[in-house]
Amino acid sequence: GAGVSQTPSNKVTEKGKYVELRCDPISGHTALYWYRQSLGQGPEFLIYFQGTGAADDSGLPNDRFFAVRPEGSVSTLKIQRTERGDSAVYLCASSPTGEGGEQFFGPGTRLTVL
Amino acid sequence: AQSVTQLDSHVSVSEGTPVLLRCNYSSSYSPSLFWYVQHPNKGLQLLLKYTSAATLVKGINGFEAEFKKSETSFHLTKPSAHMSDAAEYFCVARMDSSYKLIFGSGTRLLVRP
Repeated sequence: GAGVSQTPSNKVTEKGKYVELRCDPISGHTALYWYRQSLGQGPEFLIYFQGTGAADDSGLPNDRFFAVRPEGSVSTLKIQRTERGDSAVYLCASSPTGEGGEQFFGPGTRLTVL
Repeated sequence: AQSVTQLDSHVSVSEGTPVLLRCNYSSSYSPSLFWYVQHPNKGLQLLLKYTSAATLVKGINGFEAEFKKSETSFHLTKPSAHMSDAAEYFCVARMDSSYKLIFGSGTRLLVRP
């Protein structure tokens, strides 16, 4: 079956622009997560959705970052007024349930802010 | 606070020789522990997980890891490296009944022919 997919695979933008990153989780998975992986580091948690609601957004670095999951499936991570420090690989994962389940990761979106 | 330390940023071995990737965790509780592998342009793949059952955990592709509570370690091993094992490996912890994964900084494994 299809795994987690993310689009685009690469995104280059200019400082100050707005970007949207999309995640398609595995069908039927109720939990969805976003992580950010900066160069040379391990992924860091950003936000967790259970169904349509953000159950934990404590990892979002500031109010320029926002994520939605309106129908409980596809999720979009939105970054306003991008900064060079936002350059990273953004990873999405999904799991059948929220607690204790294995998280299945997508290939990531590499965001470069010039 | 929970944290994961991977002691080596790079490990280089010859094909056919043993692999040892070191990981230590810091937690007030006994966490669930995982090893993930990341090949270039591929998603993170789960190699194995420890969830308080047997302390020696066997994973895919011949990898295994041993949970040692007294040493707060969860080192990853493989008896004989293959060229296809070259990748980035992450040691990961999760608090019981939680969803948040705490990643180490990663170890890049290089396999020489």
